[in-house]
Parts: sequence; C-alpha cells; structure tokens
Amino acid sequence: EAQVTQNPRYLITVTGKKLTVTCSQNMNHEYMSWYRQDPGLGLRQIYYSMNVEVTDKGDVPEGYKVSRKEKRNFPLILESPSPNQTSLYFCASSFGWANTEAFFGQGTRLTVV
Amino acid sequence: AQRVTQPEKLLSVFKGAPVELKCNYSYSGSPELFWYVQYSRQRLQLLLRHISRESIKGFTADLNKGETSFHLKKPFAQEEDSAMYYCALSKGGGSNYKLTFGKGTLLTVNP
Repeated sequence: EAQVTQNPRYLITVTGKKLTVTCSQNMNHEYMSWYRQDPGLGLRQIYYSMNVEVTDKGDVPEGYKVSRKEKRNFPLILESPSPNQTSLYFCASSFGWANTEAFFGQGTRLTVV
Repeated sequence: AQRVTQPEKLLSVFKGAPVELKCNYSYSGSPELFWYVQYSRQRLQLLLRHISRESIKGFTADLNKGETSFHLKKPFAQEEDSAMYYCALSKGGGSNYKLTFGKGTLLTVNP
C-alpha cells in the first residue's frame, strides 16, 4: 500500500532532550516536507526536501533540523526541544513540485514539558 | 510572498443546505490551488485541485483570478462532509518550491 509513515504517533518528552521523528514513504517521491499544525494557525511548513541531500527551510524552521540521506526517509530532528514545539507534526511527500498531490502521514503529536 | 486566507474558522450548516468554504490567495505568478480535507482522526488528503476542474464527493471549486479566490462549494451538504478543510497554494519552479496552507475551516453539517 502506498503510504507515508511517521513514528512515533505520540511522544511526550522533557525540555532539552533530543528527539527524532521519522518519516518514510514507499512511493519513490522526490519531494518531502514537514509541517506543524497548531490551533488557529493551520499548517505551517518547517522544512522541505526536493531530493536526496537537498533540503531547505520552510516558514518556521527555528529549532528543527532535517536530513535526506535516502530518497524514502526524511527525519525531523529536535536537538533541544522546548514547550513551544508542542504541536501536531505531519510529514508529506509528492512526486514532484508542480501541481501534484501531496500525501500525508498520520501525524505525530508531540508534547514537550 | 504567497498567502492563503480562509476567513471562516468555523462553518455550520444543516444537512441538505448549500455550503461554500471561502479561500482567497495572494500570489504574483500563476497559482496552483488545492483543497485538502482532514476527517476526524484521519490524515490530510487531497480533495481536489484547480487544474483538474473535477467534482469530488459533490464538491467543486473554481479559480477566479480576478477576485483571487478559489472557493469550495457543494449544493447539498451531507453529515459525512463534516471535517477540517484547508485551501493550499503551491508555487513551483526552480529550487524554491513551496506549498502554503490557509488556516483551515472546520465544517460541521448538522442533521
């Protein structure tokens, strides 16, 4: 089944403890991205990647890192999480970047205490 | 900079009534516009895109470049249409791809 898989689905952590949220797609998509979803703010893009080893900042990149060593994986790294990073995170992938459908993961609900 | 505005956070209608979810955009180039839907406890999924000019689940959306709008419409709402709807605009080309979402409208269809 073609899909985007995120792990974990739920995570509670403490301030400053490094964490990684994984994202994997099995559709051979070139383009992948991370969003955070907050009440009243909708989805905001954190980082995106147009291909292996090609990443760029979205609208809210502060406090996040990403890497794209393989086409299928695009992990989101929080080196030193803070409470303002408590949010619902979505990974997405698409075949290209011109008028193509984005496929989303199930979401990761992160709480930083 | 590209921007997508959905002026209504919440929209409540009765079953069988027409529904219109508003979306306005600002973008200097030729926009590529989408509507995404998120049903309760499910992931976001594409509902429709402007270039396809299709009707999905009875929903349609027409791109009006003069008014910079891409409103989503359905003549007769159903209870299963209750969901969060996001309008999105993509800017393609070169190394500067971006997909920008509006803040979303929560549609509730009452029986």
